[in-house]
Amino acid sequence: ILNVEQSPQSLHVQEGDSTNFTCSFPSSNFYALHWYRWETAKSPEALFVMTLNGDEKKKGRISATLNTKEGYSYLYIKGSQPEDSATYLCASLYGNNRLAFGKGNQVVVIP
Amino acid sequence: GAGVSQSPSNKVTEKGKDVELRCDPISGHTALYWYRQSLGQGLEFLIYFQGNSAPDKSGLPSDRFSAERTGGSVSTLTIQRTQQEDSAVYLCASSLVATPSNTIYFGEGSWLTVV
Repeated sequence: ILNVEQSPQSLHVQEGDSTNFTCSFPSSNFYALHWYRWETAKSPEALFVMTLNGDEKKKGRISATLNTKEGYSYLYIKGSQPEDSATYLCASLYGNNRLAFGKGNQVVVIP
Repeated sequence: GAGVSQSPSNKVTEKGKDVELRCDPISGHTALYWYRQSLGQGLEFLIYFQGNSAPDKSGLPSDRFSAERTGGSVSTLTIQRTQQEDSAVYLCASSLVATPSNTIYFGEGSWLTVV
């Protein structure tokens, strides 16, 4: 089982501020890196699937980058809004068919 | 279209009882996964089905856990003789096919509490 780590575990962000957090994963036998947003009582929402070194993806105010050689991905939230409050999960695909998840970055946006 | 559907949403059961959790994947998705998240832990892989191939059961924590997928669609996860450590949210997911670049879609989960 892969060891996927996310930091920081939790953070409070003032509305309007930008923030970012890190996902680190083993760089060997890399297949893909997934990001999800998980709000309480809802299903995890798929944000990005990235496979190539140097990949950058964007969805609205949220973007992500991928470095497969050194084994990390950054997730950025620009101009945080209260609706961005959620737990952000990253997961590395291994064995081509299963995801190894980190414990998540819990984000609280303060109005 | 409809997403991944799971039932029940919440289940409280007594220690030692059996429980069944159901998953309806997105129509047309051939790959189906079960994960769980226990308190304070990350999501943990349990089992994976791909079409008519033999399932990958390598994540099941004990022989009290089993799962089946009938007709390549609906899946049932069964936990026999439940223990308190089985308390968790059990998430089902599906994807069109199991390739690295495909998005995996999750349901809302079944929250299981064993008392």
